[in-house]
Amino acid sequence: DADVTQTPRNRITKTGKRIMLECSQTKGHDRMYWYRQDPGLGLRLIYYSFDVKDINKGEISDGYSVSRQAQAKFSLSLESAIPNQTALYFCATRGQGLHNEQFFGPGTRLTVL
Amino acid sequence: QKEVEQDPGPLSVPEGAIVSLNCTYSNSAFQYFMWYRQYSRKGPELLMYTYSSGNKEDGRFTAQVDKSSKYISLFIRDSQPSDSATYLCAMSANTNAGKSTFGDGTTLTVKP
Repeated sequence: DADVTQTPRNRITKTGKRIMLECSQTKGHDRMYWYRQDPGLGLRLIYYSFDVKDINKGEISDGYSVSRQAQAKFSLSLESAIPNQTALYFCATRGQGLHNEQFFGPGTRLTVL
Repeated sequence: QKEVEQDPGPLSVPEGAIVSLNCTYSNSAFQYFMWYRQYSRKGPELLMYTYSSGNKEDGRFTAQVDKSSKYISLFIRDSQPSDSATYLCAMSANTNAGKSTFGDGTTLTVKP
C-alpha cells in the first residue's frame, strides 16, 4: 500500500463549487504539505502543517483552506473554485530532523470549468 | 526574480549519452540541495540529496553543488530510456521548517 494517498485522483468541477481534496499518510510523519503544480511553474506551496494545531500559509494560499483532522490526515478545500485553480495538486509529508526529504502522494488532477 | 531557476528544457538525448541538468539560486541561506525525479502521472520522488558544497555519487547519478557560484547540477551517465522523466531541483535553508523551494523542472527524454 502507498505511504501517502490522495483522493480523488481526478476531479472535474464547475466554477463556484466547493471542493475538498483529501490526503492520508501511514508514514507517521508530523509535517504535511499541499502543493500545486502547473506546467512551467514547478511546485508551489499552498499550505503546510507541523501538527494538528499548527497550520501555516504557503506562497499561494489565497482561495484555499486546509484542515488537519489528525496527524495522518490533511485536507485541502477550494471554497469557490475558479478556472485558474485547474492544476495538479500534490500532498507531501516529512518527518522531524534536518533531513529535508519529502514524500509525495500520487497527485489529484483538478479541472475547473 | 525566482529564488531558484532551472534550465527549462525539454532535453532529448540518445541512449547512453551523458546528461547535465542545472539550477541556479539566489538565496545564500540554502544549505540542503535535492533532486527529485517525477515520472508522468506520478508524484516526485527524491533521487539525490546533498548538504552544502561538494559532489555526491550514486550509481549513474552525480549531484554537484557549488555554493560559491550558487549553482547545482545533476549528471546522469549512460542514460537509459527509463531515465525519461521530469527532474526537479529543490533547496532549503538550515531550518527545521522543512520548506523547500523547487525549480520548475526539466523534462528529459532518452531515446533508445
